[in-house]
Amino acid sequence: GIQVEQSPPDLILQEGANSTLRCNFSDSVNNLQWFHQNPWGQLINLFYIPSGTKQNGRLSATTVATERYSLLYISSSQTTDSGVYFCAVDKGGGADGLTFGKGTHLIIQP
Amino acid sequence: DTGVSQDPRHKITKRGQNVTFRCDPISEHNRLYWYRQTLGQGPEFLTYFQNEAQLEKSRLLSDRFSAERPKGSFSTLEIQRTEQGDSAMYLCASSYGGELFFGEGSRLTVL
Repeated sequence: GIQVEQSPPDLILQEGANSTLRCNFSDSVNNLQWFHQNPWGQLINLFYIPSGTKQNGRLSATTVATERYSLLYISSSQTTDSGVYFCAVDKGGGADGLTFGKGTHLIIQP
Repeated sequence: DTGVSQDPRHKITKRGQNVTFRCDPISEHNRLYWYRQTLGQGPEFLTYFQNEAQLEKSRLLSDRFSAERPKGSFSTLEIQRTEQGDSAMYLCASSYGGELFFGEGSRLTVL
């Protein structure tokens, strides 16, 4: 099956800093999503971005499908940004759903 | 529409008991997925429904697990004869062919 690798696995930053999270995948994909998992375990949708660039407030994401990677940018970090960020991909057809990476655990210190 | 709803949010049971989780997807979504997440890992795919048809099952879904989606609406995931290794967060998601949306999850603890 498709492999998804996220880096870094852990990241500790001071409030106000910027960060870049990376997601590499091993095959072509029809769907790529970024999620933030909150402390209660719910996966919050950040971006649906199989290709191109999107921005939502302090967050933005870029997927370069031909090179099989995606980047999530967080600017001016806040303590509420802390948590685990997951990248997930789908090859298409919907049958297997999304394959998730192991996540990046982000801690923003005040 | 309030999104994907899961019930119960938490379940504590003794080894050997049966448990059932319910998922109500977003109303216009025809695809429904079940995932399992253990501590420190990303969610892992268990099974997928398109309308009422169960089209795919992961090898993670042992014969103690069964899922249904009668009439293509809500879905249930039943675990029979629970084992301590079944302790995990069970997540449901729905979609209409594109972006998946997840519920809040059902956390299972098997004692």
